[in-house]
Amino acid sequence: AQSVTQLGSHVSVSEGALVLLRCNYSSSVPPYLFWYVQYPNQGLQLLLKYTSAATLVKGINGFEAEFKKSETSFHLTKPSAHMSDAAEYFCAVRAGGGYQKVTFGIGTKLQVIP
Amino acid sequence: DTEVTQTPKHLVMGMTNKKSLKCEQHMGHRAMYWYKQKAKKPPELMFVYSYEKLSINESVPSRFSPECPNSSLLNLHLHALQPEDSALYLCASSEGRSGNTIYFGEGSWLTVV
Repeated sequence: AQSVTQLGSHVSVSEGALVLLRCNYSSSVPPYLFWYVQYPNQGLQLLLKYTSAATLVKGINGFEAEFKKSETSFHLTKPSAHMSDAAEYFCAVRAGGGYQKVTFGIGTKLQVIP
Repeated sequence: DTEVTQTPKHLVMGMTNKKSLKCEQHMGHRAMYWYKQKAKKPPELMFVYSYEKLSINESVPSRFSPECPNSSLLNLHLHALQPEDSALYLCASSEGRSGNTIYFGEGSWLTVV
């Protein structure tokens, strides 16, 4: 079985401050991990993904995430928040070995305060 | 060009109506998906098609009927829906292997009245 846990359904940061969105995973096989962003009334857009090539993954819009096997974590960070970062962020896990099902976390709504 | 196109963007239907949601991708992806997303919730997988064959059905009620006419198209036929079926329906596609990204469309907003 596979699952992800996102800590904090709402996160507020000031513009220019560090963004840290937490994700912990559970998977019986080596996982593939993803972060997606969803802006209001839109579909999901991939921010970045981990597929075992490198533990530090850089994505679009200045976001990055680090895979830590010992902590079963894949936290999303951005050094400096921008107003346009306000959105819903979903962590997702997909088990390896040809299994096609992706399981999403509950999502974290990021609010950026001017 | 990573694009999944869904039509219509908005659909309002009565509980006795029959309607369809359509999805198209031209990325050569061999896996296509339907997800359902309720407000303030994560997407929930409904169906997966792999190489035009239904490979996963997440115990979805029969009032939802998927169809994959060819490798680029995916339909979701709707019949006798309930108001609680109102949601955002997301189509997605991927190359099919585990590590490859799933690309999502913008979604179809369905309201059942």
